[in-house]
Amino acid sequence: DAKTTQPPSMDCAEGRAANLPCNHSTISGNEYVYWYRQIHSQGPQYIIHGLKNNETNEMASLIITEDRKSSTLILPHATLRDTAVYYCIVRVANTGNQFYFGTGTSLTVIP
Amino acid sequence: NAGVMQNPRHLVRRRGQEARLRCSPMKGHSHVYWYRQLPEEGLKFMVYLQKENIIDESGMPKERFSAEFPKEGPSILRIQQVVRGDSAAYFCASSPPGGYTEAFFGQGTRLTVV
Repeated sequence: DAKTTQPPSMDCAEGRAANLPCNHSTISGNEYVYWYRQIHSQGPQYIIHGLKNNETNEMASLIITEDRKSSTLILPHATLRDTAVYYCIVRVANTGNQFYFGTGTSLTVIP
Repeated sequence: NAGVMQNPRHLVRRRGQEARLRCSPMKGHSHVYWYRQLPEEGLKFMVYLQKENIIDESGMPKERFSAEFPKEGPSILRIQQVVRGDSAAYFCASSPPGGYTEAFFGQGTRLTVV
């Protein structure tokens, strides 16, 4: 059962920041927000995850609103290789819970 | 540290044959997940295993499909008597113990049933 809502598609100009929104209004206190992406038909690639604080790594930044009902994945300088389907996933932080992949956002980076 | 290794990368089987898909998790990872992706569709959870135990097989078809993760060796997803509808990409992911960790995916096995 989907717990997240994402726009089906987005475009971004190369070199600009790509901001991908995700709504998870029913998130509970022990659920983390994870982001993955799938480039063409490759295996999904882990990007970042967080609980309530903003997170940043070498790939992206994750901004989670104070009420935790939505988040934004930011790719600071999008390149053509960032064209992919991006999945926002909420998952209870207990061992054994699967990662549920919804339909994601298809991001196209335009030259 | 090698990533999740899946083999074979491509597998062709005739209808009625058996398909065996292998997944070697990352070093130190004791949890394995299998997902299936039909052409032009999303990833669907199939089964979650820990060493020697099936924890959640709620996404696994009741017939012809089985999975194992023995104490030694890779995890195996077995499909008996394959049909054309089994043609898909099968992805394996692994994670270390602990509920708030990320899972890492392999590059998948693309099964084609002819």
